[in-house]
Amino acid sequence: GENVEQHPSTLSVQEGDSAVIKCTYSDSASNYFPWYKQELGKRPQLIIDIRSNVGEKKDQRIAVTLNKTAKHFSLHITETQPEDSAVYFCAANYWGDSSYKLIFGSGTRLLVRP
Amino acid sequence: AAGVIQSPRHLIKEKRETATLKCYPIPRHDTVYWYQQGPGQDPQFLISFYEKMQSDKGSIPDRFSAQQFSDYHSELNMSSLELGDSALYFCASSPSGGVPNTQYFGPGTRLTVL
Repeated sequence: GENVEQHPSTLSVQEGDSAVIKCTYSDSASNYFPWYKQELGKRPQLIIDIRSNVGEKKDQRIAVTLNKTAKHFSLHITETQPEDSAVYFCAANYWGDSSYKLIFGSGTRLLVRP
Repeated sequence: AAGVIQSPRHLIKEKRETATLKCYPIPRHDTVYWYQQGPGQDPQFLISFYEKMQSDKGSIPDRFSAQQFSDYHSELNMSSLELGDSALYFCASSPSGGVPNTQYFGPGTRLTVL
């Protein structure tokens, strides 16, 4: 079925350390994998996305890797800062009748300790 | 830059009442998605519209209906409200439903059912 699993559910790191969040998806037809950051009571905001034709994408301190064979993708945040503290959601697209929809992982609450 | 607009931002209703949530997508975006997010949960896909036609359906109760109008704005109609319908409702828009693309989320409508 349509499923995205995300781990860990909570992650606490020291400022300056790296954080890694992992997700797996179930449908080999999925080809778009965005990551969203959501602060309490606010909207999810896209931070980075990757398509299935590349294995890695980087944007400053944020990188995403994709392993299509294993149906696995990960978010890497380096040199973490307190303002990185938020809930992070991964997602994968699943094709419907005439379009696609995003199925989200259950979220990772990241806490960056000063 | 213009963003997705949702109204109202907050809504309080009694059980068994009806509610209408509105979404105005980013200009030139032809696809609208509706999500429901309960406290501490990930966004759950409800329904989507591409070029004013329903394109996919998720876990939307039969008590809910939605449509997209000629100006591309969308409305989510909720009837016979239940306590469990209390949640944040997000609308997202995307430039094309045919190809996986970034979904931009609106600020959300917080619905409280008493």
